[in-house]
Amino acid sequence: GAVVSQHPSWVICKSGTSVKIECRSLDFQATTMFWYRQFPKQSLMLMATSNEGSKATYEQGVEKDKFLINHASLTLSTLTVTSAHPEDSSFYICSARDQESLGYEQYFGPGTRLTVT
Amino acid sequence: AQSVTQLDSHVSVSEGTPVLLRCNYSSSYSPSLFWYVQHPNKGLQLLLKYTSAATLVKGINGFEAEFKKSETSFHLTKPSAHMSDAAEYFCVVRKGGGNKLTFGTGTQLKVEL
Repeated sequence: GAVVSQHPSWVICKSGTSVKIECRSLDFQATTMFWYRQFPKQSLMLMATSNEGSKATYEQGVEKDKFLINHASLTLSTLTVTSAHPEDSSFYICSARDQESLGYEQYFGPGTRLTVT
Repeated sequence: AQSVTQLDSHVSVSEGTPVLLRCNYSSSYSPSLFWYVQHPNKGLQLLLKYTSAATLVKGINGFEAEFKKSETSFHLTKPSAHMSDAAEYFCVVRKGGGNKLTFGTGTQLKVEL
């Protein structure tokens, strides 16, 4: 089956620093990837849609200059949290859409837990 | 706009008894509906999906769900719970063939001996 990986699985960083999270589709190509944020005991909220070779589309209320997204290849998208602050601490999950799938399936990565101290 | 409401934030069952996780949806268009499961600190795994074909959908691990348009419901069921079913379950709606998934607030399933 389709597998999506994320790296790192968890990261602790100091306030003011930047953190990069990678999302890879391991056995399929994905022109479109998605970044979600999940607060403890809450649901997933879509942050942005990442399109290979073009700019990401951000959801309302998500700061594009703070959450930089790059989708440089058909198997890799990155999310960089710039100048991180404690309120950015969260579980970040990516998903990738299998472009060969007629059902527009999205496959989810295992998530990255970010803690900003 | 589409939305889903998961009626129970927590459900507790005994091992071997039936599971029912409730979900109601709202959509202006013919929706696609999904159930995902999330184990602690893990990503989401697709259990099953409805995309306007058969209204009774069978998924993995013995789960199934029935799309009822008249009741705008898509409840998830399993005849016999197993300890390994303990997890968070999300009901998700997608408008047609679009990209955007809208998640419910989740139901935490606890399975007791």
